[in-house]
Amino acid sequence: DSGVTQTPKHLITATGQRVTLRCSPRSGDLSVYWYQQSLDQGLQFLIQYYNGEERAKGNILERFSAQQFPDLHSELNLSSLELGDSALYFCASSPQGDYGYTFGSGTRLTVV
Amino acid sequence: GESVGLHLPTLSVQEGDNSIINCAYSNSASDYFIWYKQESGKGPQFIIDIRSNMDKRQGQRVTVLLNKTVKHLSLQIAATQPGDSAVYFCAENYRGAQKLVFGQGTRLTINP
Repeated sequence: DSGVTQTPKHLITATGQRVTLRCSPRSGDLSVYWYQQSLDQGLQFLIQYYNGEERAKGNILERFSAQQFPDLHSELNLSSLELGDSALYFCASSPQGDYGYTFGSGTRLTVV
Repeated sequence: GESVGLHLPTLSVQEGDNSIINCAYSNSASDYFIWYKQESGKGPQFIIDIRSNMDKRQGQRVTVLLNKTVKHLSLQIAATQPGDSAVYFCAENYRGAQKLVFGQGTRLTINP
C-alpha cells in the first residue's frame, strides 16, 4: 500500500456520460497530480494541485476538470466521455510538489 | 518540448544476469530524476531517484547513473530475478514545471 488511495478501481460507462475519480493523497502530502495512461503508453501528465490550488496543467482536455478540497483529497471529473478516454488514470502525491512522488494503484476507466 | 525517451522498448535478460535500462532526456534544466517500476495492472512503484548534483546513486540491487553531459540516465539491476519483470519508466522533473515528465517505458522480461 503506497498510501495514495484511488477509487473506484474499475469503472465502466457509456459514451457521453460523466464520471468522477477520487484520490486521497498520502498523509502529509500537499500536492496531488493526475496522470493518464493509455494502453501500452507512458504516463501523460494532466494536472497538478498544491494545497487546494491549481499549480500546473498538462495535456488535459477541456472536457476534463479537477479540484482539490480543503481536506486535500482530489477529484478528477471526466465528461462527455468518448471511447478514446478509456485508460488508466493515476493519482500521485508529494509533500511539497517537487520531490518524493508516490503513485496510487489507479482507476481503470472503460468507455463503451 | 518535453522529451524523456528510452532507447529500447523491450529488454530480455537471463535470470541472474545484470540488466541495464537506458533513458535519454532533453531538458538540461531537469534537476531530479526517478526510475519507476510498473507491473501489470498496478501503479508505478518508486525504485530510485537521483538529483542533478550527483552522477551515481545505489540502492538495493539497483544503481542509477546520470550523465548530464549527454543527458543520459541508466538503471542497472543486479542479479535480475523473475520478480523484476515489469515496465520501467524514467521520469524527469525540473524546477518550476511542477510535474514529472515520463518516458515511454522499457519492458523487461526475464528468461529462466
